[in-house]
Amino acid sequence: GAVVSQHPSRVICKSGTSVKIECRSLDFQATTMFWYRQFPKQSLMLMATSNEGSKATYEQGVEKDKFLINHASLTLSTLTVTSAHPEDSSFYICSASKGALNTEAFFGQGTRLTVV
Amino acid sequence: EDKVVQSPLSLVVHEGDTVTLNCSYEVTNFRSLLWYKQEKKAPTFLFMLTSSGIEKKSGRLSSILDKKELFSILNITATQTGDSAVYLCAVNTGNQFYFGTGTSLTVIP
Repeated sequence: GAVVSQHPSRVICKSGTSVKIECRSLDFQATTMFWYRQFPKQSLMLMATSNEGSKATYEQGVEKDKFLINHASLTLSTLTVTSAHPEDSSFYICSASKGALNTEAFFGQGTRLTVV
Repeated sequence: EDKVVQSPLSLVVHEGDTVTLNCSYEVTNFRSLLWYKQEKKAPTFLFMLTSSGIEKKSGRLSSILDKKELFSILNITATQTGDSAVYLCAVNTGNQFYFGTGTSLTVIP
C-alpha cells in the first residue's frame, strides 16, 4: 500500500520562531500533495495544494507568506510555519495523491503544533 | 462553490446498533467519493466509490453512492465501541479533495 510519512508528529516551539513539517511519500511518486489544518472536533480545512516543481495554490484566507510550502520533489513536500504565534497551534495533516483521476488520498500521521 | 455536507454531525448509539451516515455533495467535476475513519490522528481510508448503485463492503461496514441524487451513505452494522470515531466523507474533483465536516460517532457499551 501507499505510505505517507509526516514528521515531526509533535512539536512545541516558542512564539516568533519557525517550524518546518515534512511530508514524504515513501513508496510512490506524489504529483500532488495537500496540506490541511484541523481544529479540535472539526473537519480538515484545506490550506494549500502543491504540485511538484510549481508554486503551491493556497486557499482563500491562508497567508502564503506565513505558511510556506515547498514541493521540491515527487516524494517530499514541506510546510514551514513562519513566525509562529499561539493561534497557529493546531493539528496539521498532509496527504498525497498519485495524480490519477480516481485515486484516494493517502494521509500522513499528522503534526501537533503547540506554540507557547 | 463546491461543497460536501455530512449528517448527522454527531451520533451516540449502543453497541449492537446499526448506524447510517450521510454525505451529500455539490461539485463541478466529480471523480470519486471517499470515506475515511479518523480516530486520534490521521484519517484511515475506508472506501472509494465511483459508480452509482454498487455497494462496497468491508466486514460490518458498507457504502453506496447515488450520483443522480448526489449522495452517499456509510452503514455500520452491529456497532462496537471500537467504531467510535469521526467519519469523514471527501469528494475528489481531480485536483482537489473536498471534505465534509465529519460525523462523530460514539458507541457506548
